[in-house]
Amino acid sequence: EPEVTQTPSHQVTQMGQEVILRCVPISNHLYFYWYRQILGQKVEFLVSFYNNEISEKSEIFDDQFSVERPDGSNFTLKIRSTKLEDSAMYFCASRQSFNYGYTFGSGTRLTVV
Amino acid sequence: AQKVTQAQTEISVVEKEDVTLDCVYETRDTTYYLFWYKQPPSGELVFLIRRNSFDEQNEISGRYSWNFQKSTSSFNFTITASQVVDSAVYFCALSEAVDTDKLIFGTGTRLQVFP
Repeated sequence: EPEVTQTPSHQVTQMGQEVILRCVPISNHLYFYWYRQILGQKVEFLVSFYNNEISEKSEIFDDQFSVERPDGSNFTLKIRSTKLEDSAMYFCASRQSFNYGYTFGSGTRLTVV
Repeated sequence: AQKVTQAQTEISVVEKEDVTLDCVYETRDTTYYLFWYKQPPSGELVFLIRRNSFDEQNEISGRYSWNFQKSTSSFNFTITASQVVDSAVYFCALSEAVDTDKLIFGTGTRLQVFP
């Protein structure tokens, strides 16, 4: 069964450093998403991406965050200057269209020290 | 505004007991989708079910069943004859079909099944 692949599975970074979280969505999917889950809390929407542009973003997704689909297969989330409170599990998801369900990747656990 | 409430923070049962996880949602839309996801200790989100707002039929899949009632805005999940492997956090989620397609998650219910 097709999968959404996220790398790395765990990343540790120093506060103030830039990080890039990578995702390879399912190849025929057109809608892409990033979600975040702070340890022990609920999963929160960050951003949705369609047709090479952001279609919606949450209040969490401020100027420190950006997304890109650089080569037609990867979908990346960049955090420019990480803060301690960015420590969380980040999930990438994709889906084929509005009539289909979401497929989530297994997540990247980001630890900011 | 959209909202999903899972009032049960944690439930503990003994193997073979039946358990029901509650989910209550709020939305202004008439067209929407409801989901359940399982998050085992390994952390990934495992899709369990997706139901659209026009389909109120209950669904059964093996030991899992779902009861969707629009009159009470609830989408409850029952595990029959629970097993230790069912231990996980279960999230209910809502997606509206118009204007936005983001998933709104509830706070989750941690289910512990003891042998």
